[in-house]
Amino acid sequence: DIQMTQSPSTLSASVGDRVTITCRASQSISSWLAWYQQTPGKAPNLLIYKTSSLESGVPSRFSGSGSGTEFTLTINSLQPEDFATYYCQHYRTFGQGTKVEIK
Amino acid sequence: EVQLVESGGVVVHPGGSLRLSCAASGFSFDDYAMHWVRQPPGKGLEWVSLINRDGRSTYYADSVKGRFTISRDNSKNSLYLQMNSLRSEDTALYYCAKPKGDSPADYQMDVWGKGTTVTVSS
Repeated sequence: DIQMTQSPSTLSASVGDRVTITCRASQSISSWLAWYQQTPGKAPNLLIYKTSSLESGVPSRFSGSGSGTEFTLTINSLQPEDFATYYCQHYRTFGQGTKVEIK
Repeated sequence: EVQLVESGGVVVHPGGSLRLSCAASGFSFDDYAMHWVRQPPGKGLEWVSLINRDGRSTYYADSVKGRFTISRDNSKNSLYLQMNSLRSEDTALYYCAKPKGDSPADYQMDVWGKGTTVTVSS
């Protein structure tokens, strides 16, 4: 089974920062890579699909990129509502999550 | 409005059974496969099961295979998860989720319910 490993597990940042979260696959994968945001007490929210496509309604400060085994989610100019946990997903496998905290 | 509403989560003893339901509205339910995803308290997301559009093909995580059964009733726009031989490690918030695309291989989920809580405890 393919494993998806996110780094870092926790990230401390300030409003206005540029933040990058990495998701590494245990072997080369296709472009079926999604990113979700989850805030406490809420269901996950799809941000990015097929590695780099922005889901409708998601602010353009979110972007995704990558190929092969390494994929990234970038948040430009972090906003207060962006402090949350982020998950990558490839088919049946989710990453363990990255919590973005206020510095 | 596209909406998924789960129900059926309760406290159950180890070894017990439970059936979760998910009511869908606002989209053509029978055009999409459907998923169940769970999240143990304070932990990450775990994919549980997938059913194709007509209900004839089902897929399960190894952790639930042989114990859980996914099904659907397209006439009622409803998805189900029959959970048998429950274990403490099945304790979680269970979400139903719609894939973004109508491909049977689309695991990218663009609509989620609020979830229903299953607690397995003696």
